[in-house]
Amino acid sequence: NAGVMQNPRHLVRRRGQEARLRCSPMKGHSHVYWYRQLPEEGLKFMVYLQKENIIDESGMPKERFSAEFPKEGPSILRIQQVVRGDSAAYFCASSPLGPSGNTGELFFGEGSRLTVL
Amino acid sequence: ILNVEQSPQSLHVQEGDSTNFTCSFPSSNFYALHWYRWETAKSPEALFVMTLNGDEKKKGRISATLNTKEGYSYLYIKGSQPEDSATYLCASRGSGAGSYQLTFGKGTKLSVIP
Repeated sequence: NAGVMQNPRHLVRRRGQEARLRCSPMKGHSHVYWYRQLPEEGLKFMVYLQKENIIDESGMPKERFSAEFPKEGPSILRIQQVVRGDSAAYFCASSPLGPSGNTGELFFGEGSRLTVL
Repeated sequence: ILNVEQSPQSLHVQEGDSTNFTCSFPSSNFYALHWYRWETAKSPEALFVMTLNGDEKKKGRISATLNTKEGYSYLYIKGSQPEDSATYLCASRGSGAGSYQLTFGKGTKLSVIP
């Protein structure tokens, strides 16, 4: 059973370009979370999605950032018009049940490292 | 305590030594406390999820305790081995608004010297 797959593992963008990060959850998992790790910081919650629905996006910047988890295909975190401050490691995690159905153990991917020049 | 704090930030121990580190978290509106083990260039892996005050969990040489009243958890490693070298993350989950979110500490980086 493959784990959570993220791609690309490394992405370099120039200021003003768009970054798209993909996450395929573990098989059978319909709950996806995105976390961001800025340099010297801990993992910070960004968004929680269930298939075709955004459940909680309170940790995501209001502008330039969006996330989706379509019925078919991976979850995508999209950052438009990237700035240097967006340089970070972006981690996706999945779980088989929602937070109310279990204790919330998450299964993480290996992350996508975005560098903005 | 508003955030999740972990100490020490890093430590080096000799192979065979036992060690422990601390996680402090907000005790109000507490729901669950997670420990993850994160090796360099890999993904964080769940070690324990604890919910009840006084919980103790064990996996091999690693164990953890939980005090929800005072808001702290200890992770213990008995007889450290080089393969235990990793960053150990704790994360708190609250109840109520924002309960989907895990709030992570910055981690304790453990290096076990052969």
